[in-house]
Amino acid sequence: NAGVTQTPKFRVLKTGQSMTLLCAQDMNHEYMYWYRQDPGMGLRLIHYSVGEGTTAKGEVPDGYNVSRLKKQNFLLGLESAAPSQTSVYFCASDIGFSGANVLTFGAGSRLTVL
Amino acid sequence: GQNIDQPTEMTATEGAIVQINCTYQTSGFNGLFWYQQHAGEAPTFLSYNVLDGLEEKGRFSSFLSRSKGYSYLLLKELQMKDSASYLCAAMDSNYQLIWGAGTKLIIKP
Repeated sequence: NAGVTQTPKFRVLKTGQSMTLLCAQDMNHEYMYWYRQDPGMGLRLIHYSVGEGTTAKGEVPDGYNVSRLKKQNFLLGLESAAPSQTSVYFCASDIGFSGANVLTFGAGSRLTVL
Repeated sequence: GQNIDQPTEMTATEGAIVQINCTYQTSGFNGLFWYQQHAGEAPTFLSYNVLDGLEEKGRFSSFLSRSKGYSYLLLKELQMKDSASYLCAAMDSNYQLIWGAGTKLIIKP
């Protein structure tokens, strides 16, 4: 049982390049999330999904897009990377159906934008 | 606004006890979470409190006072492997999590 798997783990981009981070979960969770984690700051929610085919904006959505075509996958896209998007990105999932649910996180993807 | 405050860093000795405090201000409240995050790794769930009082789980305990907007995580019999960051997160009325910046705990032999 792999839990939440993120790919790639590391990536270096040049300003203006595009890329996609993939998150896959095998726990049949309804809700999935993308966070970024920066030094000295709490986790900040970028986008989230409450089910297959749905997405919603979080606290810091600008410059990112997401898609959830399949229940188990949640993709985070950067269309034109900027140095301000240098960060560690975490995908997480929970069982959903509202309530205070425990999040299961992926191992993180470290992105550097030059 | 919504806000979580916790100390940036704490140091403790192996075998001792340490208390990590967290204060929160949220629009409504649906509970307080603690997560542990080792350097370079994913956060993992430690505890959840929604009612006032102390919840004990082995060497770790978590306390909540809703009237004071305050929680703490108590770690007993510290081990070197407890060196990590501890993240406090409060859930608001919309079930959105508000995260603190984390407390880096350094354990010395």
